[in-house]
Amino acid sequence: KAGVTQTPRYLIKTRGQQVTLSCSPISGHRSVSWYQQTPGQGLQFLFEYFSETQRNKGNFPGRFSGRQFSNSRSEMNVSTLELGDSALYLCASSLGAGPTYEQYFGPGTRLTVT
Amino acid sequence: GQNIDQPTEMTATEGAIVQINCTYQTSGFNGLFWYQQHAGEAPTFLSYNVLDGLEEKGRFSSFLSRSKGYSYLLLKELQMKDSASYLCAVRDRGSGGYNKLIFGAGTRLAVHP
Repeated sequence: KAGVTQTPRYLIKTRGQQVTLSCSPISGHRSVSWYQQTPGQGLQFLFEYFSETQRNKGNFPGRFSGRQFSNSRSEMNVSTLELGDSALYLCASSLGAGPTYEQYFGPGTRLTVT
Repeated sequence: GQNIDQPTEMTATEGAIVQINCTYQTSGFNGLFWYQQHAGEAPTFLSYNVLDGLEEKGRFSSFLSRSKGYSYLLLKELQMKDSASYLCAVRDRGSGGYNKLIFGAGTRLAVHP
C-alpha cells in the first residue's frame, strides 16, 4: 500500500507570494492533519480535516488555510508569505479521527521563503 | 494551557539502555504517542499509551502515568541506527471536541560506539 505522498518536495518562494501544498493520504484514510516543523518551534499543529470538514485548527494566522476533497486528498495554502514561514510542512493521514488512530506522516514539503 | 517538555539532547553507548522522559500539561488528555524522526525524514510511529502502565514493543517500551502527566520511552540494546530525534506527542481534545496532536520539541539521541 502506498504511503502518504506530498508534492512538491521542495519549494522556494519570495516574500508576499502565495503557495499551495498538496497531500495524498494512504488509500482508505479519511483524516488528514497538517503540521509545520521548524528547528525553533518543533512540530506545530496547523489543522485537521475529516470527510472534507475542518475539525480542528491550531494557533496560526488566517494566512494559513486548507481544504479536503471528496477523495480525501488535501491542500494547504499560505498567502502573503513571510520569511518566518520557511519550514518543513508535514501531512499525516489516519484511518479515522478517533483517539486510537495512528497518524502516518508523509515526507514533507520543504518551503523556503526568501 | 498545553505544554510538553522533554530533554533536548541525550547521548548513549551502543548496546546500552536509555530512557527519554516527557512531561505534559493538557486540559483534554486523550492519549500519548512517541515518534522517531531521522534527520531529513518524516516521523514514524513508535508507541501509543492511553492507560497507565507500560507498553512493550520489541526493544522499545513506553510508560504512562496520567496522574503525574509523565511518560518515558525506553530503548534497550541500543544500535547506531537508533540515533534520531524522539518526539513525544499528546492527543488533546480541542475546544470543538475533536482531537489534535501536540508535539514536544523532540529529544535528539546520539548513539556512539
